[in-house]
Amino acid sequence: KAGVTQTPRYLIKTRGQQVTLSCSPISGHRSVSWYQQTPGQGLQFLFEYFSETQRNKGNFPGRFSGRQFSNSRSEMNVSTLELGDSALYLCASSKGPRGSTDTQYFGPGTRLTVL
Amino acid sequence: EDQVTQSPEALRLQEGESSSLNCSYTVSGLRGLFWYRQDPGKGPEFLFTLYSAGEEKEKERLKATLTKKESFLHITAPKPEDSATYLCAVQDANYGQNFVFGPGTRLSVLP
Repeated sequence: KAGVTQTPRYLIKTRGQQVTLSCSPISGHRSVSWYQQTPGQGLQFLFEYFSETQRNKGNFPGRFSGRQFSNSRSEMNVSTLELGDSALYLCASSKGPRGSTDTQYFGPGTRLTVL
Repeated sequence: EDQVTQSPEALRLQEGESSSLNCSYTVSGLRGLFWYRQDPGKGPEFLFTLYSAGEEKEKERLKATLTKKESFLHITAPKPEDSATYLCAVQDANYGQNFVFGPGTRLSVLP
C-alpha cells in the first residue's frame, strides 16, 4: 500500500514569490493535515482538511492557505514568501478527521528554502 | 493550554546500552498519546499509540508506557540504526482537533 506522497521534495524560492505544495494521502484516507517543521519551533500545525472542508486552522497568517480535492489530494499555498517560511512542510493523512483516534501517517515532506 | 515536553533533549548511548526517553504532557483530557521516529530530512514514522494510563506497547527493541502525566519510551539494547529523533504528540479529548507535538529527543547510538 503506497504511503503519503508529497511533491516537490525540494524547492528554492525568493522572497515575495508564492509557492504551491502538493500532497497525496494514503488510499482510503480522507483527512489531510499540514505541518511546518523548523529547528527552533518544532512541528507546528497549519491546517486540516476532511472531505474537502477545512476543519481547523493553526496560528499562522493568512498567507498560508490550502484546499482539498474530491479525491482527497491536497495542496498548500504560501503567498508573499518570507525568509522565515524556510522549513520542512509535512503532510499527514488519516482515515477520519483529527478529532477521531485515527493515526496520522506522514509523508516525506517538502523542503522549502526562501532566499 | 496543552503542552508537551520531552527529555532529554539529546541522548548518546553505546550500542547495547539501554535507556528511556520521557514525554511529559498537560492536557485537559487525553484522547491519545503518539510516538513517532524521525530520521533527518524525512517525515515522522509512526511507532505507537497509547490511550490510557497503564497501557504498554512493544515493537522490537522499543517499549512505550503511559501514566496520567507522562509516557516513557524504553529502548533495550539499542543498535546504531535506532539513531533518530523521537517525537511524542498528544491529542486532547476535550479539544479533539488539537494535536500537539513535543520538541523531540535526538538519540545517537554509537557502535
